Amino acid sequence: ETGVTQSPTHLIKTRGQQVTLRCSSQSGHNTVSWYQQALGQGPQFIFQYYREEENGRGNFPPRFSGLQFPNYSSELNVNALELDDSALYLCASSFRGETQYFGPGTRLLVL
Amino acid sequence: AQSVTQLDSQVPVFEEAPVELRCNYSSSVSVYLFWYVQYPNQGLQLLLKYLSGSTLVKGINGFEAEFNKSQTSFHLRKPSVHISDTAEYFCAVIDFGNEKLTFGTGTRLTIIP
Repeated sequence: ETGVTQSPTHLIKTRGQQVTLRCSSQSGHNTVSWYQQALGQGPQFIFQYYREEENGRGNFPPRFSGLQFPNYSSELNVNALELDDSALYLCASSFRGETQYFGPGTRLLVL
Repeated sequence: AQSVTQLDSQVPVFEEAPVELRCNYSSSVSVYLFWYVQYPNQGLQLLLKYLSGSTLVKGINGFEAEFNKSQTSFHLRKPSVHISDTAEYFCAVIDFGNEKLTFGTGTRLTIIP
């Protein structure tokens, strides 16, 4: 059974640029959630996708957007990057309503 | 709204000594509770979870946690720690019918040889 995978592992961008992060969910899972973990903090919920629809959103501005594809993989897009967007971005997959399993994360540095 | 408090940001413990990491939660509805571990430069790994049933939950790597509804607590324990337990530990809660995990700020467990 393949676990949750994320790409890329690391990324460096400059302020104002746009970034796309990718997540492949665990086999059999139909829900993907995205979290932002700033240095020294716990993960914060960005949003969740279930069957290609957004299913809940945290306190993040609209420049954070996402997609879920028919194979349940997902993308997180961030436009107009700000310095404070530097963080570890975690993807978690689950079967709806059940335990979330996390990927290794993508570390984003905005200069 | 749900919230999680991990009172101890850092806990140093001698190797082979017992440890307890504290977690208190706040929610107006019934919840599911989780402990995740994060090793340096890695993602989160599920240690254990409480969904229903027995209030004492056993997880991986010899960890266990006890759900106490009256105290709204879900403390994590291990009777004898090892150097390899050095990591950041996060308590998390999810409301019934909700899909959003709310995490505490984490406890850094440092094992002293």
